[in-house]
Amino acid sequence: SQTIHQWPATLVQPVGSPLSLECTVEGTSNPNLYWYRQAAGRGLQLLFYSIGIDQISSEVPQNLSASRPQDRQFILSSKKLLLSDSGFYLCAWRASGVPRNEQFFGPGTRLTVL
Amino acid sequence: GQQLNQSPQSMFIQEGEDVSMNCTSSSIFNTWLWYKQDPGEGPVLLIALYKAGELTSNGRLTAQFGITRKDSFLNISASIPSDVGIYFCAGRRQGGSEKLVFGKGTKLTVNP
Repeated sequence: SQTIHQWPATLVQPVGSPLSLECTVEGTSNPNLYWYRQAAGRGLQLLFYSIGIDQISSEVPQNLSASRPQDRQFILSSKKLLLSDSGFYLCAWRASGVPRNEQFFGPGTRLTVL
Repeated sequence: GQQLNQSPQSMFIQEGEDVSMNCTSSSIFNTWLWYKQDPGEGPVLLIALYKAGELTSNGRLTAQFGITRKDSFLNISASIPSDVGIYFCAGRRQGGSEKLVFGKGTKLTVNP
């Protein structure tokens, strides 16, 4: 069966510091991968999605970036965090080439920027 | 970006009551999804709908894909305390298969 992991679970970082959040998926190959951000009490905002290694689409201009160095690894990064980057970051995966397949979410990373 | 109009924003009910929430859009969707998010966790897929008029159940949950393809509703019957959480609708537009559009969520509180 497929599982999705996110690391770390929680993170407290000062403004201006760098960021690296990791997402890995097990039990599937060539998944579509997604990064979302959820502000407190708000809906989900799609940040990036990837349909393959080094194929990444950005949905929202910001100081975040994403990379996919391996088939089942998705990284969310920032060079300098802003206060507004605080939130709950969710990674999701979806099987590619399978009809009627949907996105499944990881456990999330709670980021607090102080 | 586009969002779905999800209502109500929050609900406070007594255990045993039925619950109904809905999502509407100005655009046509070819897929409607309902997710539940427990505090501090990622959303979990509850029900997926792919055809206009489709009515699908998952235990005490029932969801329908609106005939106009611009709306969907979720019903929960005989609520229990573990139904507490935030319920999100999500839709996929025709031609936009990699992206889901999410509602802002309905926060459900069940009083025992």
